[in-house]
Amino acid sequence: QSVLTQPPSASATPGQRVTISCSGSSSNIGSNTVNWYQQLPGTAPKLLIYSNNQRPSGVPDRFSGSKSGTSASLAISGLQSEDEADYYCAAWDDSLNVWVFGGGTKLTVL
Amino acid sequence: QVQLVQSGAEVKKPGSSVKVSCKASGGTFSSYAISWVRQAPGQGLEWMGGIIPIFGTAKHAQKFQGRVTITADESTSTAYMELSSLRSEDTAVYYCAREDGTMVRGDNWFDPWGQGTLVTVSS
Repeated sequence: QSVLTQPPSASATPGQRVTISCSGSSSNIGSNTVNWYQQLPGTAPKLLIYSNNQRPSGVPDRFSGSKSGTSASLAISGLQSEDEADYYCAAWDDSLNVWVFGGGTKLTVL
Repeated sequence: QVQLVQSGAEVKKPGSSVKVSCKASGGTFSSYAISWVRQAPGQGLEWMGGIIPIFGTAKHAQKFQGRVTITADESTSTAYMELSSLRSEDTAVYYCAREDGTMVRGDNWFDPWGQGTLVTVSS
């Protein structure tokens, strides 16, 4: 059971917008910033969003992140087939003294 | 641009140990934390622990207490993760990742990641 809670799956058609939620607690998301990682099939995770809503260089502005209280979300607009991947949220947990991850959301582009 | 290159796949017997390496190139090594994250087949990501090479002290998740040893060699810009008393549940892909950001851990993130090392524990 993951400390951060994500829906196991999400789906949408090309061009649509999809949102993935990530729910935590006061000791992780409530106290620290949230990062999102994209894992394409058979590859290592890649940083997608850091510090709640910042995009690393090279990440399209179709990807955006937000945080409110103890929850965060990742939005992908103008969905493309290459966005089909697993998405993980992560944050540092001040009580457990570990990095905690969500269980991952498998995004399917229909 | 820093790159992390990990050692190759391993097959181990239950009860044995495995040591995975993670070599950094193209950037500063010593002052950034290197973390180890594992992913069991079909499962999510799990943080095991990390080390800041310049300080040499490692921290690890309580779950791996007594079984994991994380070290770093500044002279070769290489971090290591050794896991002992292996059991079948340790079969996973093990990733190293650089922890970037600020001096405040809660404001950091993992970038980049190594390519991953598959460790298979089987009799």
